[in-house]
Amino acid sequence: AQSVTQLGSHVSVSEGALVLLRCNYSSSVPPYLFWYVQYPNQGLQLLLKYTSAATLVKGINGFEAEFKKSETSFHLTKPSAHMSDAAEYFCAVVTGGGNKLTFGTGTQLKVEL
Amino acid sequence: NAGVTQTPKFRVLKTGQSMTLLCAQDMNHEYMYWYRQDPGMGLRLIHYSVGEGTTAKGEVPDGYNVSRLKKQNFLLGLESAAPSQTSVYFCASRLAGMSTDTQYFGPGTRLTVL
Repeated sequence: AQSVTQLGSHVSVSEGALVLLRCNYSSSVPPYLFWYVQYPNQGLQLLLKYTSAATLVKGINGFEAEFKKSETSFHLTKPSAHMSDAAEYFCAVVTGGGNKLTFGTGTQLKVEL
Repeated sequence: NAGVTQTPKFRVLKTGQSMTLLCAQDMNHEYMYWYRQDPGMGLRLIHYSVGEGTTAKGEVPDGYNVSRLKKQNFLLGLESAAPSQTSVYFCASRLAGMSTDTQYFGPGTRLTVL
């Protein structure tokens, strides 16, 4: 079954520093992958998605992710963290014949002054 | 467009009570989903629907029932609430067809079962 693993349930960075949130997938076929963000007391919002069109995917708020088949990874990055980036981030993979998403356990990002 | 809305936003139940959570979407989406979110466990799929009148089980369906009588609404029922069902419940909807279509989420319902 297809699944994703997010390494690090909590990540802390300084404002202005690089943000790197890790996501590895397990799939026997080329996967479709998503990153969602959840701000406190809100629902999830799409950041970006990999649909096999391009390996480097750019999303909202300056985030991007690179699909690396050799490493089975889809890590999320942002060159310079902002206080407003503090949130929980979820990686997800399409499953169930294309009908469903399976989510990782999430990474809480803290941004410090 | 309101997008995906959920009613109620908060609810406290006693063990054994029943309740229904309502999800509504105004985007004419075919697919709808119910998830629960628990600390450290991410989002887990409870039930989903690929069209009006259809439902299917997800990863954690026990103790829940659903109905999709109208395309725009997806109801989640708890027949006899248990403390293990204390959680935040999210509804989502998706256009259809393409497996890469984005799921749009509602704001959530925070349920506490005492």
